[in-house]
Amino acid sequence: GAVVSQHPSRVICKSGTSVKIECRSLDFQATTMFWYRQFPKKSLMLMATSNEGSKATYEQGVEKDKFLINHASLTLSTLTVTSAHPEDSSFYICSARRLVEDYGYTFGSGTRLTVV
Amino acid sequence: DQQVKQNSPSLSVQEGRISILNCDYTNSMFDYFLWYKKYPAEGPTFLISISSIKDKNEDGRFTVFLNKSAKHLSLHIVPSQPGDSAVYFCAASAQGGSEKLVFGKGTKLTVNP
Repeated sequence: GAVVSQHPSRVICKSGTSVKIECRSLDFQATTMFWYRQFPKKSLMLMATSNEGSKATYEQGVEKDKFLINHASLTLSTLTVTSAHPEDSSFYICSARRLVEDYGYTFGSGTRLTVV
Repeated sequence: DQQVKQNSPSLSVQEGRISILNCDYTNSMFDYFLWYKKYPAEGPTFLISISSIKDKNEDGRFTVFLNKSAKHLSLHIVPSQPGDSAVYFCAASAQGGSEKLVFGKGTKLTVNP
């Protein structure tokens, strides 16, 4: 149980276009989801916290107009990278906070974004 | 199919004793392993890592052991402190760590004073 599906797993887009990444909790409800950007080898940067039915909370230095987050339901959050540039190429990972007894976190499978 | 498994959702130890957190993986392509620590309301922070060319890596009170044949790694914390109470995530990556991280579900560690 407690599965988070992230889609797509890989995407290549042209510079200047927008890309949407979906994060779904398949068998549980998640009022809170988190979006991370992975940097080489170890660094995992929290970009924003997504709360169902309200605006996302962005971390300092993350452009909210560039990284649009929508959490329209208890099982779905989306991250849209707008006007993508090559420097946006990275892995993006979501996680969802489980509303079950352990209140733990489940991570998605990640999305590799390549902007050419 | 879970490629990284942390079978113990929680662990409780006494202050000063050793904490051992376990992690198993199934993908033989994984060659870089990391441990993250997470406090409530914060993002995971990197703790320690190990490459598959090693079987042990030590950093202060934290030691990670890797058993490649068993596809098993463990994090030892000695001595445990109340401030170590957090959720610990095991993660794995292929291509020397350049591929995406695959996370376990985490183990909640409670260190009792």
